[in-house]
Amino acid sequence: DARVTQTPRHKVTEMGQEVTMRCQPILGHNTVFWYRQTMMQGLELLAYFRNRAPLDDSGMPKDRFSAEMPDATLATLKIQPSEPRDSAVYFCASGLMTGNSNQPQHFGDGTRLSIL
Amino acid sequence: GEDVEQSLFLSVREGDSSVINCTYTDSSSTYLYWYKQEPGAGLQLLTYIFSNMDMKQDQRLTVLLNKKDKHLSLRIADTQTGDSAIYFCAESGYGTASKLTFGTGTRLQVTL
Repeated sequence: DARVTQTPRHKVTEMGQEVTMRCQPILGHNTVFWYRQTMMQGLELLAYFRNRAPLDDSGMPKDRFSAEMPDATLATLKIQPSEPRDSAVYFCASGLMTGNSNQPQHFGDGTRLSIL
Repeated sequence: GEDVEQSLFLSVREGDSSVINCTYTDSSSTYLYWYKQEPGAGLQLLTYIFSNMDMKQDQRLTVLLNKKDKHLSLRIADTQTGDSAIYFCAESGYGTASKLTFGTGTRLQVTL
């Protein structure tokens, strides 16, 4: 089965450090999403891309977070500098939307981030 | 903005049917979804329904949509212990690969 692959699965680091999370979307999918899951806020959208162009990053703190798609097989989410309140599970999802085809989002297993 | 509501907890006995309910506010929602999350894992897409449908069945799963009341339900027949998980309702507009708004999740506990 095709899968969304996220690395690393777990990350523990000290506040102030840079954190980079990576996502490989399902081959052929043109839409990539970043979500964050916390106990308090639940699942919330941070940003998403279609055909590598950012469509919406309104859910993302702009001063410390950045999301990019260097190519169609890689999406990155960076936090610099990291803070304890960034501790969460970060999910990447991918889907396909074209004029003739829609495929729903499939999620990776997430990156569990702990900022000390 | 969009809002999706779910009850937090449901307990059922093994072999019984489970019904998980969800309400949403966005009348322009075009697709509604059910995802399952097991402990420490990602979200697994169970099923989804287009807003012009009333019902969709897939093996033990039945989705019912009341668009007038903006109410979605997921029925799991013959519930098994392996069905214990958190179930998320979500909605999107403009196609299945547009952004999702999730509910808070319903924790399903299956007892023997």
